[in-house]
Amino acid sequence: DAGVTQSPTHLIKTRGQHVTLRCSPISGHKSVSWYQQVLGQGPQFIFQYYEKEERGRGNFPDRFSARQFPNYSSELNVNALLLGDSALYLCASSLSRGTGNSGNTIYFGEGSWLTVV
Amino acid sequence: QKEVEQDPGPLSVPEGAIVSLNCTYSNSAFQYFMWYRQYSRKGPELLMYTYSSGNKEDGRFTAQVDKSSKYISLFIRDSQPSDSATYLCAMIGNSGGSNYKLTFGKGTLLTVNP
Repeated sequence: DAGVTQSPTHLIKTRGQHVTLRCSPISGHKSVSWYQQVLGQGPQFIFQYYEKEERGRGNFPDRFSARQFPNYSSELNVNALLLGDSALYLCASSLSRGTGNSGNTIYFGEGSWLTVV
Repeated sequence: QKEVEQDPGPLSVPEGAIVSLNCTYSNSAFQYFMWYRQYSRKGPELLMYTYSSGNKEDGRFTAQVDKSSKYISLFIRDSQPSDSATYLCAMIGNSGGSNYKLTFGKGTLLTVNP
């Protein structure tokens, strides 16, 4: 089975531009979360989507938005890019929204490397 | 105070050594504890998953959780050069606002020298 797939793998954008990152979860997984990982830091939670609805949001500005599609894939959008948005953006998938048993573990994709110049 | 504290290292050990990696946390709502391994410029890979206090062993890896001390550990026996990576601890609650997002430590960079 395919794992979590993300695209694009690398991209370079200019300050003020907009970016869209895409994620396909593991087959059968209904929950998709997005994390930002700045160099030298652990991933920081941005959003969780479950059954196409936003279920949780981290401490990120409104320039960050996301959505989940009927096939459970997801997009992360970032507007008005700043230099500080340069990071690895990780998508994670799990069976359901929260943890309830060891079966609901969270798996990450390889990420999308965003560089803002 | 950060919710999860992890010494970023770097940690350098000879091949075959026993490695001990640790995290402390402050949020008593955390119930599930994970260790992820992240190779350079790759996504995190789940290594170990532990619920509540206790030990869990998987091959050369042992995860320990001490909820009374809010302290978790990952031990790697007979370390190999292929274990060289950043190790991230992560935690999640089981109710309310803490059961849907992972909270990570900064990660510890480990190098195992041949």
